[in-house]
Amino acid sequence: QKEVEQNSGPLSVPEGAIASLNCTYSDRGSQSFFWYRQYSGKSPELIMFIYSNGDKEDGRFTAQLNKASQYVSLLIRDSQPSDSATYLCAVIMSGTYKYIFGTGTRLKVLA
Amino acid sequence: EAGVTQSPTHLIKTRGQQATLRCSPISGHTSVYWYQQALGLGLQFLLWYDEGEERNRGNFPPRFSGRQFPNYSSELNVNALELEDSALYLCASSFVGAYEQYFGPGTRLTVT
Repeated sequence: QKEVEQNSGPLSVPEGAIASLNCTYSDRGSQSFFWYRQYSGKSPELIMFIYSNGDKEDGRFTAQLNKASQYVSLLIRDSQPSDSATYLCAVIMSGTYKYIFGTGTRLKVLA
Repeated sequence: EAGVTQSPTHLIKTRGQQATLRCSPISGHTSVYWYQQALGLGLQFLLWYDEGEERNRGNFPPRFSGRQFPNYSSELNVNALELEDSALYLCASSFVGAYEQYFGPGTRLTVT
């Protein structure tokens, strides 16, 4: 099992819809979770981080964490074509404190 | 506030040569992280430096090494370059004890 897993996509959603991106992780002791957005040819940009179970909202973005089920998700409301990018989930592994990235989910928002 | 900077933007080397990549963190950040992103692959953790010390390294051979200077800037050295070392090398920085990392624009290394 990979340490951090994401569906590679592409996930296609129409403009204005909610995009839901999911990530699962293997280390039950992990405490810190991050979502990054990466446009083609660019470096990753931090969007959200979440440390506690539940939801965390920032503008159109909501991060959801469920430690019991070992998954973290990112919801993007009112999706825009400019949201089209690869979204990377990152988890800090307990013990080693290594930052492990998933391979990313490519999102396409259709105008 | 200036972000993380990296140099050079592009680097072309031949197999067997050495490459040196440089990174300057955001002002106030003491931790620097290096990642490799090969085409079609995810971000692979290479090295983590904090306060001048190597804190952790990923599953890469010893020919990948680096250091952090007193001003917290960092250098990544790749010796005996191989074709599969061709990738985008990303540097990120964070405050000590904080886990939010901020990335530089990257150095594209091409090994021919």
